[in-house]
Amino acid sequence: GAVVSQHPSWVICKSGTSVKIECRSLDFQATTMFWYRQFPKQSLMLMATSNEGSKATYEQGVEKDKFLINHASLTLSTLTVTSAHPEDSSFYICSAPDGTISGNTIYFGEGSWLTVV
Amino acid sequence: QKEVEQDPGPLSVPEGAIVSLNCTYSNSAFQYFMWYRQYSRKGPELLMYTYSSGNKEDGRFTAQVDKSSKYISLFIRDSQPSDSATYLCAMSAGAAGNKLTFGGGTRVLVKP
Repeated sequence: GAVVSQHPSWVICKSGTSVKIECRSLDFQATTMFWYRQFPKQSLMLMATSNEGSKATYEQGVEKDKFLINHASLTLSTLTVTSAHPEDSSFYICSAPDGTISGNTIYFGEGSWLTVV
Repeated sequence: QKEVEQDPGPLSVPEGAIVSLNCTYSNSAFQYFMWYRQYSRKGPELLMYTYSSGNKEDGRFTAQVDKSSKYISLFIRDSQPSDSATYLCAMSAGAAGNKLTFGGGTRVLVKP
């Protein structure tokens, strides 16, 4: 079936540095991908919609200059957390809709754990 | 009030029992309904996908959508300890490419 891959699975970085997370659709092309963050025991909160070839659309309250999103190809979107701080430590998950299967199935990556120390 | 409400649980059942999960929602524009299973520290895994009202069955899983009541359900028959996870309902208003609105998730524990 369709697979969405994320890398890295986990990362530890120092406060003030930047971290890049990749999201790839392996079996299909995705003009749109979504980035979520999830705190422990909470549901997924949508951060932004990544659009291939154009600017990302950010949800209210999400700083676009801090969470840079680049959707350079139909199979790859990247999320860069700039000048990371401990409060940015979270589980980041991407998803992509596969318009070729069942019309509207949305698959998630395995997620990336970010710890900022 | 949240757009999608889901009892957080935890819901504890003995092995072999039927697990019953549900979500209510307020946005009548929602047309696509999904159930995801999420194990600890993992990304959500799509279990069931339903368009509009009706029932859908896949193996031990049955999904029901009642748009008139704005209520969706997921039933898991013959539950196994490996079904212990958090179950998230999600829905969207439009076709592929539209963002999902999630319920808060229900934690399920199936005891051997």
